[in-house]
Amino acid sequence: DTGVSQDPRHKITKRGQNVTFRCDPISEHNRLYWYRQTLGQGPEFLTYFQNEAQLEKSRLLSDRFSAERPKGSFSTLEIQRTEQGDSAMYLCASSLPIQVASTDTQYFGPGTRLTVL
Amino acid sequence: DAKTTQPTSMDCAEGRAANLPCNHSTISGNEYVYWYRQIHSQGPQYIIHGLKNNETNEMASLIITEDRKSSTLILPHATLRDTAVYYCIVMNRDDKIIFGKGTRLHILP
Repeated sequence: DTGVSQDPRHKITKRGQNVTFRCDPISEHNRLYWYRQTLGQGPEFLTYFQNEAQLEKSRLLSDRFSAERPKGSFSTLEIQRTEQGDSAMYLCASSLPIQVASTDTQYFGPGTRLTVL
Repeated sequence: DAKTTQPTSMDCAEGRAANLPCNHSTISGNEYVYWYRQIHSQGPQYIIHGLKNNETNEMASLIITEDRKSSTLILPHATLRDTAVYYCIVMNRDDKIIFGKGTRLHILP
């Protein structure tokens, strides 16, 4: 257990439905990352926050995807009008910037596995 | 795209040292070499990182060539629990991780 938690661990939904995932980072970590991993591939970067500010978004993050971190603590990732191609593991990671800590290691949660039928 | 090249898969006998190679010929001067691993159905786990000196921690050793164009991760006494996908990553500090496909390491009993 890295201290990063994600909820739910599994989600099955029908095409066209909206889903929301939650990530709770390690409490003092001000950086939070979202990644997506499809079967047989390495994780792909989606977006990251420093505190409540979303500082970078991948081109993979289409307009159906939105991520928030309203108080700089937990984050949510919402997918609207899900498609079968959205089926993947959604991973969250948190870290401290190197200026603050002696390491910038990203600690990953267990992921949320989404299946779109 | 990932800046590293790794073998797709490797086998290692339990109790032996597992040596995982990685090529990163286009690494720039301020980029570090990181290694993460991912055990089936879990999130990636940090192992070790280095800039140009060899590094060792409780999990592994990292050997970086003098020209920094390649490196080797060494698990000194592999156990069955080390079966995982190992990712070699080149990145700046505090940056997002660009994962490749990694090396699938099988530890054989």
